[in-house]
Amino acid sequence: DIQMTQSPSVLSASVGDRVTLSCKASQNINKNLDWYQQKLGEAPKLLIYFTNNLQTGIPSRFSGSGSGTDYTLTISSLQPEDVATYFCFQYNSGPWTFGGGTKLELK
Amino acid sequence: EVQLVESGGGLVQPGASLKLSCVASGFTFSDYWMSWVRQTPGKTMEWIGDIKYDGSYTNYAPSLKNRFTISRDNAKSTLYLQMSNVRSEDTATYYCTRWERGFDYWGQGVMVTVSS
Repeated sequence: DIQMTQSPSVLSASVGDRVTLSCKASQNINKNLDWYQQKLGEAPKLLIYFTNNLQTGIPSRFSGSGSGTDYTLTISSLQPEDVATYFCFQYNSGPWTFGGGTKLELK
Repeated sequence: EVQLVESGGGLVQPGASLKLSCVASGFTFSDYWMSWVRQTPGKTMEWIGDIKYDGSYTNYAPSLKNRFTISRDNAKSTLYLQMSNVRSEDTATYYCTRWERGFDYWGQGVMVTVSS
């Protein structure tokens, strides 16, 4: 199975900060990676698909990048409503796997 | 409006069977691959498996393949997850999801607790 490692596990940042979340795969996943946001008590929501494509309705402050084994989700200017846990997900080869998540908090 | 509504969860004893349902609306159900994803109380996310739009093909996480079965009834716009010989580690919230360039829609989730 492909292991997905997210870092950090918890991130504290201030409103307006540029925030970078990392996801590392145990092998090349050919950009077959999505990012999901999960707010407390809610189902996950798709933010970014295939590494760098913004899902419809998602604010443009969210962006994704990466290739090979290393991927990044960036929030250009953190907003209070961005407090959530963020998961990466690979679908390059089965079984498809999620990262452990990064919990984003306000400082 | 796309909606996915799961049902069938609850408290179940170890070794028992349980069938979850997910009723879809707001889109042509038979056009989409569908998946089940679960989240443990510790918030770990696990992909369970998926099913092709016509029901002719399924994929599973190897660790669950022998106990879980995904099926669908396109006439009823309903996705199913049959769980057998459940264990305490199957305690989780189970989500029904639609796949199109990512899991673009999720249900609200249904809780399954395995305990004696």
